[in-house]
Amino acid sequence: AQSVTQLDSHVSVSEGTPVLLRCNYSSSYSPSLFWYVQHPNKGLQLLLKYTSAATLVKGINGFEAEFKKSETSFHLTKPSAHMSDAAEYFCVVSETTDSWGKLQFGAGTQVVVTP
Amino acid sequence: EPEVTQTPSHQVTQMGQEVILRCVPISNHLYFYWYRQILGQKVEFLVSFYNNEISEKSEIFDDQFSVERPDGSNFTLKIRSTKLEDSAMYFCASKGLTNQPQHFGDGTRLSIL
Repeated sequence: AQSVTQLDSHVSVSEGTPVLLRCNYSSSYSPSLFWYVQHPNKGLQLLLKYTSAATLVKGINGFEAEFKKSETSFHLTKPSAHMSDAAEYFCVVSETTDSWGKLQFGAGTQVVVTP
Repeated sequence: EPEVTQTPSHQVTQMGQEVILRCVPISNHLYFYWYRQILGQKVEFLVSFYNNEISEKSEIFDDQFSVERPDGSNFTLKIRSTKLEDSAMYFCASKGLTNQPQHFGDGTRLSIL
């Protein structure tokens, strides 16, 4: 069985400073890992995905995440936060052995960006 | 870029009534999903649908729930007799191939009175 733990429910950063959102996962087999973002009153938008290729994954809007199997982590980072990054971020896991690929979501991290 | 579209954006229904939530997945996608998010809780998987049948469902997806792809473009979620605890945001998602990510709609907020 797989699960995801997002270590911070809220993160507040100043515009122009780095963002770090932490995620740990557990997986019985070989996981696929994703980060999705949800802006207010909008759907879930895919930021990036890891599917057993390169461990450092680059996504949209300057975000990237590093898969560390030894630490069972998939932390999301961005070097310089922008006001438009204020949103809720979800770390998500699915099993690559599961053809249907149901997603298991973390609880989410609310990001606030201050001027 | 193609999108998953959901209607309505907000549905208010009396307890005990039937409700149908509608989704139009991306046109060449083969796998379809419903998820829900109760206010303040995690996004939860409800059901996956492939080749015109349910491929997997969660324990939440009981006999009160059903899904249908009636015309090759729409994908619907029906709740037969709604309960207060069905109030949530419902998300539809679709994907093309097994190893591709799921694309989500903007959701339908269902409020049961």
